[in-house]
Amino acid sequence: SQQGEEDPQALSIQEGENATMNCSYKTSINNLQWYRQNSGRGLVHLILIRSNEREKHSGRLRVTLDTSKKSSSLLITASRAEDTDSYFCATRTQGGSEKLVFGKGMKLTVNP
Amino acid sequence: DTEVTQTPKHLVMGMTNKKSLKCEQHMGHRAMYWYKQKAKKPPELMFVYSYEKLSINESVPSRFSPECPNSSLLNLHLHALQPEDSALYLCASSQESRRNSYEQYFGPGTRLTVT
Repeated sequence: SQQGEEDPQALSIQEGENATMNCSYKTSINNLQWYRQNSGRGLVHLILIRSNEREKHSGRLRVTLDTSKKSSSLLITASRAEDTDSYFCATRTQGGSEKLVFGKGMKLTVNP
Repeated sequence: DTEVTQTPKHLVMGMTNKKSLKCEQHMGHRAMYWYKQKAKKPPELMFVYSYEKLSINESVPSRFSPECPNSSLLNLHLHALQPEDSALYLCASSQESRRNSYEQYFGPGTRLTVT
């Protein structure tokens, strides 16, 4: 089963609006990462948040992590049409393994 | 150079063929990965190489054979594949550390079709 579950599975918004994607996971983690992917191509890393961090910012991105609830959220502010993509959360479990487990992904469509 | 390259971009092969997928990075990363991704699904880890040694094999069938000739190159040898092996095969690399974790850099993938 997938470690991460993004919610919602698909989101359609207008340009300029904010987009929030949530991710839940089941086991203790070392860190949680967010990636985006266009049309089945290679993934692009967006942001990494470690288990001892609660919030992180990068440009228009804001990520929060609540380890007590085993959940994370990715907020994209002032969305643009070029933000249209699939977004995945991925978790690295505690214990030193290099293994990343990806969630099911969420399709974001930003309409011009 | 923060690019991971993969060749070929597309590959069509019969079930009796032998082919290889290639991946290259020049970022000095010592961890390299192969993922398989079916349509509308997340990537699934297949193999991890750390310092040119296989460190993780996610119970992948032996018809997939990985090879890491040096720290910059990663190959995936394919033999006697099944139609259900058709997928996007992604290569990635990262700095390697057991205590910390770093982002992975992905190549554009090889879209494989098995006929």
